[in-house]
Amino acid sequence: LAKTTQPISMDSYEGQEVNITCSHNNIATNDYITWYQQFPSQGPRFIIQGYKTKVTNEVASLFIPADRKSSTLSLPRVSLSDTAVYYCLVVNTGGFKTIFGAGTRLFVKA
Amino acid sequence: GAVVSQHPSRVICKSGTSVKIECRSLDFQATTMFWYRQFPKQSLMLMATSNEGSKATYEQGVEKDKFLINHASLTLSTLTVTSAHPEDSSFYICSATSGGATDTQYFGPGTRLTVL
Repeated sequence: LAKTTQPISMDSYEGQEVNITCSHNNIATNDYITWYQQFPSQGPRFIIQGYKTKVTNEVASLFIPADRKSSTLSLPRVSLSDTAVYYCLVVNTGGFKTIFGAGTRLFVKA
Repeated sequence: GAVVSQHPSRVICKSGTSVKIECRSLDFQATTMFWYRQFPKQSLMLMATSNEGSKATYEQGVEKDKFLINHASLTLSTLTVTSAHPEDSSFYICSATSGGATDTQYFGPGTRLTVL
């Protein structure tokens, strides 16, 4: 299983773009990169998933360089409600097992 | 789509009793379900992985006789905490995946267990 490393916490202000980088140096060929958001006392919510290059959906973008040893979640124009813990996971397709790292606590200030 | 529910959302029980938590995939068939435990200010810890019709696979350090998992159908998995004690108080979260190329997990809202 690929171990992930993220910053423990980040601060931002409303309206700014936030980029959270995750390193996963021993990612395997069949692994996908998935990001989740978790609010207190709630289950994690799927944000975005990708394999390489760039993926964009209605809430975020995911940038993955060619070597895939890291990935960056980009949240455009954050609001106070984006204050949460963000987890980067490397998911091994077929192996199913997923191990959560510590996550990044994002604080968005007014 | 991809909605997972849990019931109950919150439960308080006396020490020594057993508690059952249900996890349902509402709009897809879940080939695999996972059970996690999360203590305050900590990350999710995987407890076990269950496949429909098979015995669950438990992570190291998780007592299979204490945390009974039954994955009876493609939409339902249950976790029973037997003879619960105060140290079992935690936030229990399930997730489900339908398999496929990316095996995206979708999580339930969690169950807060408090053992008195």
